Amino acid sequence: GENVEQHPSTLSVQEGDSAVIKCTYSDSASNYFPWYKQELGKRPQLIIDIRSNVGEKKDQRIAVTLNKTAKHFSLHITETQPEDSAVYFCAASVTNAGKSTFGDGTTLTVKP
Amino acid sequence: GAVVSQHPSWVICKSGTSVKIECRSLDFQATTMFWYRQFPKQSLMLMATSNEGSKATYEQGVEKDKFLINHASLTLSTLTVTSAHPEDSSFYICSVRPPGPRGYTFGSGTRLTVV
Repeated sequence: GENVEQHPSTLSVQEGDSAVIKCTYSDSASNYFPWYKQELGKRPQLIIDIRSNVGEKKDQRIAVTLNKTAKHFSLHITETQPEDSAVYFCAASVTNAGKSTFGDGTTLTVKP
Repeated sequence: GAVVSQHPSWVICKSGTSVKIECRSLDFQATTMFWYRQFPKQSLMLMATSNEGSKATYEQGVEKDKFLINHASLTLSTLTVTSAHPEDSSFYICSVRPPGPRGYTFGSGTRLTVV
């Protein structure tokens, strides 16, 4: 089955700096890669996603890159703000199968 | 759009009792729903895939007789934790893929505490 590894497990940055979280996956059939933000005690919220036919996608301060050959994808957050502090999860799935495999999560702390 | 409702949001039960958790897609139909479990400070672990009108597909290591899943309609899936034990205490959350290009939407989650 699919195996998703996520690094780092914790990340602390100063407000205004950039944050990068990286994930690797094992199943070459995976073609959908979402990123979720989860605040304490709340549900994960989809913040951005990318499909395997695209190398990069950007939405304001958030961007995701995908390298299919190397089987890794990354989340980039620029101009970080304290409200970006949360746990971020990457995931991988084969869309026609539906189920997602999640990374272990990254706890991002943005210091004001 | 793409609202997923989960109920209850939290529940405390005694060891040996059963607890039912509901996951509803409010504004779309879903033939498939997913159930995850999340322990504190850990990732989401897929427990099973709920299939409307047929048996659920359980992940390896998940006891199907303990975690009963019923997907009787296109908008409702239920997870029943039977004969609950303290080690079943966890955050249970459902996920549904709505129509359109966006990805999965999660329910609000259920915090189960077994005492």
